[in-house]
Formats: sequence, structure tokens, C-alpha cells
Amino acid sequence: DQQVKQNSPSLSVQEGRISILNCDYTNSMFDYFLWYKKYPAEGPTFLISISSIKDKNEDGRFTVFLNKSAKHLSLHIVPSQPGDSAVYFCAANIYNQGGKLIFGQGTELSVKP
Amino acid sequence: DVKVTQSSRYLVKRTGEKVFLECVQDMDHENMFWYRQDPGLGLRLIYFSYDVKMKEKGDIPEGYSVSREKKERFSLILESASTNQTSMYLCASSLFYGGGGDGQPQHFGDGTRLSIL
Repeated sequence: DQQVKQNSPSLSVQEGRISILNCDYTNSMFDYFLWYKKYPAEGPTFLISISSIKDKNEDGRFTVFLNKSAKHLSLHIVPSQPGDSAVYFCAANIYNQGGKLIFGQGTELSVKP
Repeated sequence: DVKVTQSSRYLVKRTGEKVFLECVQDMDHENMFWYRQDPGLGLRLIYFSYDVKMKEKGDIPEGYSVSREKKERFSLILESASTNQTSMYLCASSLFYGGGGDGQPQHFGDGTRLSIL
């Protein structure tokens, strides 16, 4: 039972354009969502998060949007840079499970110069 | 900055061996986690711990055990290594999250690439 799904295994974008990474979830008890970025041979690094009481959170070039009615969140990167090429994971937290995260399968972003 | 340190970056072991993966965090975090990452499957939780000497099974605990004798250290043990346990293993830590919507991100180590021959 995959509670957090990233249906696109890969995405290719031109440098300077917008990258949009998508994530769907099934559990309405999730109350906190996160995006992580992972380079090969390194651990994931936290990128940005959003509380379920918000619909948008912005940090520099990165914006996360949450649509609770559709159980969908997305990460926008504008403008995309070659250094953004990595695997991106979305994750969700259930409020009463103390910090346990459920991760999606990941989307590999490639930003072409 | 939070530092999560995994004892080995690369490890090669033989089938049937008992394997220990060690993880240390320096931020006095209550929570610690062990994941494995496999292509197309994302990060899957093996075990986690909310406090010293406490442990909870994750989604794929079979073939693994854990030990948390001190708050900063969380060990993953492969009781009898098998080839299907060849994977990237990731340790993470976080503060305890009691709800409210502004949670606590997990901080990851750089991973251990384990090969079982």
C-alpha cells in the first residue's frame, strides 16, 4: 500500500525553465509534508516543508504547493539550474506518530544546460 | 548543523555473516531511523527508535534487528546477511514531533553502500 506516490520516475528540464515535481498521497491523516533532494552517494538533504494548514510555502527558488482536497503536492523550482539535477523525494508525516515519515519513490530531475 | 555519521561508506560482506552498521548523531535528537534505498522503491523504513532502549518495527524489519543503548547511537544488525540485503542503507535522526503541523525534518547520514556476496 503506497501511501505517498511520485508517479514520474524522471523529469528533464532546460536550464532557466521551471521544474515541477509532483506527489500524491492517500492518507488524510498526514499533517506535514517535506521534500528532500538526494545526490548519488550522499544522504538525502532536507529542502522545504509545508504544514497541512497552509497551501503554499516558498524558499528562494523553491515553492511547495499543497492541494488537500486533491491530496496532491508539488515542488516548483524556478529557475532551474544544472546543480538541481538530483533525485527528489516527497515525504509525509502523520501527526501522532512522533516523526515517522512515509516517502515516495523519488523523481530523478535532470536540468540540461 | 546537525551531523549524522555512518561508520562506513562502503562495505562488502559474505552471505551468512553477522553485519553491524553504526550511526551516531550529535544533536541530542530523540528519534533515530534506519532506511534502505533501492532503485524504484524509494526509502523504506526498517526500524526506528523514539528513545534509548526503545525500538519500533518499520515496513521491512525481516532479517534485521537494532540496538539503541545510548541516545546518540543507533545500530542496525543483519543477523545473517543474504544477497537480497545488498542495498544503500541510510540512517536519520530528528526531534520528537507531537503534532501541530510544523513538524521536524529528519537529517540523514551519507549512507552505507552494502554488498553481500
